[in-house]
Amino acid sequence: DAKTTQPNSMESNEEEPVHLPCNHSTISGTDYIHWYRQLPSQGPEYVIHGLTSNVNNRMASLAIAEDRKSSTLILHRATLRDAAVYYCILRDVGGSNYKLTFGKGTLLTVNP
Amino acid sequence: SAVISQKPSRDICQRGTSLTIQCQVDSQVTMMFWYRQQPGQSLTLIATANQGSEATYESGFVIDKFPISRPNLTFSTLTVSNMSPEDSSIYLCSVSPGTGDWTEAFFGQGTRLTVV
Repeated sequence: DAKTTQPNSMESNEEEPVHLPCNHSTISGTDYIHWYRQLPSQGPEYVIHGLTSNVNNRMASLAIAEDRKSSTLILHRATLRDAAVYYCILRDVGGSNYKLTFGKGTLLTVNP
Repeated sequence: SAVISQKPSRDICQRGTSLTIQCQVDSQVTMMFWYRQQPGQSLTLIATANQGSEATYESGFVIDKFPISRPNLTFSTLTVSNMSPEDSSIYLCSVSPGTGDWTEAFFGQGTRLTVV
C-alpha cells in the first residue's frame, strides 16, 4: 500500500471547522483514500472514504486534490467528542484483501 | 455493519505464559484481521484469519508466537504465546463484512494485555 504523511498533531477549538491534511504523493490510480479515527480507549472507526471526487457524509467531508496526491478531512464543527487520532489510509481498490495499513495518524485536540 | 465482541477486555499475565483472545462477530464475515497496538503507537497488522485454512501472517509475525484459529465465519481466536513484557499491547480484532471494491472495516474494543 502507498504511504501517507500526516502532521503528528493539530489543535482546534470547539464548534470551529477543522482541516486535517494528508499527503499521498505516490498514490496509484486504483487506491481508495480512507479515513478512520480512534477515540481514546476504543478501536478505530470509519469516517469517510473517496477515490477521485469530494465526498460528504454525516460525520465529515473529504476534499481530494485534482492530482490525488493529497486530501483533506474536514470536520465542519468540531466537538469535544471529535478528539481522537485520525488516520489517512490508502488501499488498492483492485485488491481482494481488505487489510488496512495504518500510519502514525494525527492527534486532534479539541479545546472547549 | 458488524458488531464485534472481544474477550477478555484486559488481562495481566506472567511472562512465559500464553493468553488466548476471542473475537466474536454478530454476522458471517469472510475477512477477519488481528492487529497489535503497542503503547503510544499506531496499529500493526499481525495476520489475516482465513476460515478453513491457515492464517496469513505479516512480516515480523510468526505462527508459533501468534497462533490463530478461525473455525467458522463468525469467530476467531488469537493466542499470544510464551509472553514477554514486550508483548504488552492492545490486540484488536477487525472485520470487513462487505464485498466489492470497497468495504468499511469494523474493530473490536481491543484486549489490553500487560505482561509482568
